[in-house]
Amino acid sequence: AQSVAQPEDQVNVAEGNPLTVKCTYSVSGNPYLFWYVQYPNRGLQFLLKYITGDNLVKGSYGFEAEFNKSQTSFPQKKPSALVSDSALYFCIFTGGGNKLTFGTGTQLKVEL
Amino acid sequence: SAVISQKPSRDICQRGTSLTIQCQVDSQVTMMFWYRQQPGQSLTLIATANQGSEATYESGFVIDKFPISRPNLTFSTLTVSNMSPEDSSIYLCSARRGDTEAFFGQGTRLTVV
Repeated sequence: AQSVAQPEDQVNVAEGNPLTVKCTYSVSGNPYLFWYVQYPNRGLQFLLKYITGDNLVKGSYGFEAEFNKSQTSFPQKKPSALVSDSALYFCIFTGGGNKLTFGTGTQLKVEL
Repeated sequence: SAVISQKPSRDICQRGTSLTIQCQVDSQVTMMFWYRQQPGQSLTLIATANQGSEATYESGFVIDKFPISRPNLTFSTLTVSNMSPEDSSIYLCSARRGDTEAFFGQGTRLTVV
């Protein structure tokens, strides 16, 4: 079955340090991959996507992600974390169909 | 991009009653979806709302419990019928155009007492 995995339930980072949120996928064919963020009591906000082209994609709020086909990974990164980045992050894929398949989510906590 | 207005934002309902959640998109979209989310957890797709035809339900969700309407390309409703406390959750509406990113409503936090 096609799926995405976010192996970390929670990631803790000190403000100013780089952060990485992991995501791996198991998809036949070429996946469309997305990262979304959810702040408390809010809907999901789009951050970035990989469809085709450059493996390194840049998104909102200084986030970027690198599509790695050989490792079937799509980790999201930011060079310097902010306390305001603390939120729930979802890696999502679609295999070209209509439906989005969600990862389990990673809670990011950035502390002073 | 698209802006989705979802209402109500929250409600507390008596068991055995029904609640209808509305989702309005500010522009035409090809696809609309309904999800359920427990706080702090991932989203589970309930169904795809098809314009002009019956919704497509995921495994574990049935039309009698979650009837869905989509009368046009900008509007959909989800009804949670004959509610029980197990239906307490956050319900989210989503929309997509083709292969673009999806847009989400703010969610409806439902508590059944």
